[in-house]
Amino acid sequence: GAVVSQHPSWVICKSGTSVKIECRSLDFQATTMFWYRQFPKKSLMLMATSNEGSKATYEQGVEKDKFLINHASLTLSTLTVTSAHPEDSSFYICSAGKGLMNTEAFFGQGTRLTVV
Amino acid sequence: GENVEQHPSTLSVQEGDSAVIKCTYSDSASNYFPWYKQELGKRPQLIIDIRSNVGEKKDQRIAVTLNKTAKHFSLHITETQPEDSAVYFCAASDKGGGSEKLVFGKGTKLTVNP
Repeated sequence: GAVVSQHPSWVICKSGTSVKIECRSLDFQATTMFWYRQFPKKSLMLMATSNEGSKATYEQGVEKDKFLINHASLTLSTLTVTSAHPEDSSFYICSAGKGLMNTEAFFGQGTRLTVV
Repeated sequence: GENVEQHPSTLSVQEGDSAVIKCTYSDSASNYFPWYKQELGKRPQLIIDIRSNVGEKKDQRIAVTLNKTAKHFSLHITETQPEDSAVYFCAASDKGGGSEKLVFGKGTKLTVNP
C-alpha cells in the first residue's frame, strides 16, 4: 500500500492566528496532492489541488488567500489557514496518489482544527 | 464540473441482510468510480473501485455495478456484519489513466444491527 501522513492530528488555535497543516507521502512521491474539508457528518469537499513546484488550483468558492497551499517537494504539501476564525473549524484531510497508472487516492488521517 | 449524488443518506439493516447504496454522476467523461469507507474519526479507506470499461466488479462480500448509459453505479454489500457499520462514500473521477481528483457523494451512514 501507500502511506500518507498528516500532522498535526488536531489543533486548537485562537481567532486571528494562522495554522499550518502538513501532508506527507511517506513511501512514494506525489506530484499532486489534494486537500479536502469535511464538516461533521458531511461529505468530503475538495478545496484545492496541490501541484509540486507550481501554484495550487483552487475550487470555486475557496479563498486562495485564506487557505495557502505550498507543495515544495514531491513528498510534502502544506495547508496554512490564515487569520483563522471559528467558522474555519473543521476536519481537514489530504490525499495523494501514486501516479499515472494507479488512481487510488490514499488519505491522510486528517486534522481536526478548532478555532476559539 | 462533475456532480455526484448518493442515496440513501442513512441505511439500517439487520446483520446478514444485504445493503445497496446508489450513486449517479453527471459528467459522461468520468471513468473511475471508487467507493470509500470511513469509520468515525478515521480516514477514508478504499474498499472497491470500478472503471468505465467494466460493468461489474466483485470482491468477496462487496460488489460494484456500473451503468455508463444511465450514469449510475451502485455498491452492494452482502451478508452484512456489524463491523460494516460506517459511512460510505462514492466518488467519480474524470481524468482517464491516472487521477486522484475525486468528486464525492454526500455519504451513506450504514448501520448493521446485530
